[in-house]
Amino acid sequence: EAGVAQSPRYKIIEKRQSVAFWCNPISGHATLYWYQQILGQGPKLLIQFQNNGVVDDSQLPKDRFSAERLKGVDSTLKIQPAKLEDSAVYLCASIDNAGNTEAFFGQGTRLTVV
Amino acid sequence: QQQVKQSPQSLIVQKGGISIINCAYENTAFDYFPWYQQFPGKGPALLIAIRPDVSEKKEGRFTISFNKSAKQFSLHIMDSQPGDSATYFCAAKDYNQGGKLIFGQGTELSVKP
Repeated sequence: EAGVAQSPRYKIIEKRQSVAFWCNPISGHATLYWYQQILGQGPKLLIQFQNNGVVDDSQLPKDRFSAERLKGVDSTLKIQPAKLEDSAVYLCASIDNAGNTEAFFGQGTRLTVV
Repeated sequence: QQQVKQSPQSLIVQKGGISIINCAYENTAFDYFPWYQQFPGKGPALLIAIRPDVSEKKEGRFTISFNKSAKQFSLHIMDSQPGDSATYFCAAKDYNQGGKLIFGQGTELSVKP
């Protein structure tokens, strides 16, 4: 079974620029999460999708972050404009349904804002 | 109330020793407690998990001890090996909140040969 795919692996941008991350979850997984992992901290949930609908985006900084999952499969996370404090690893995870247990994580995208 | 507090932040253990990482939570609605292992440059991977209706779960060298009344749980790694060197995260899930995982701050484990 293929895992959660994310791209790019690394991205360096200047502050105030925009950036987008892409995630392809495990086939058939209805629930998709985007997490932000700042160096030395645990992952923090940004947004949760169930198919193409948003379940929880309470911790997403909506003035600069946006995410979509238009067809209920792939998802993109965008930051515009980026700030220095957005430097982190952005992790995508999927689960076959929210009532199940194991979430599978991708390798993440390491973003550096300079 | 949504926090999961993890300690220690870092841990150094000799090969063959026991590694112990502790977590505490406040939200009694949490009903699933996994531990994730993360190697550098990789995403977290599920290591072992427990539900609050049991006090202990063992899988190979890894054991979770769960104290529901104290709202604490811990990971024990027996016969620690250099290959166990990684960052470990405890987490908690509340199915009433859409099943999102709340992670602890992480423990960087180093097992010395």
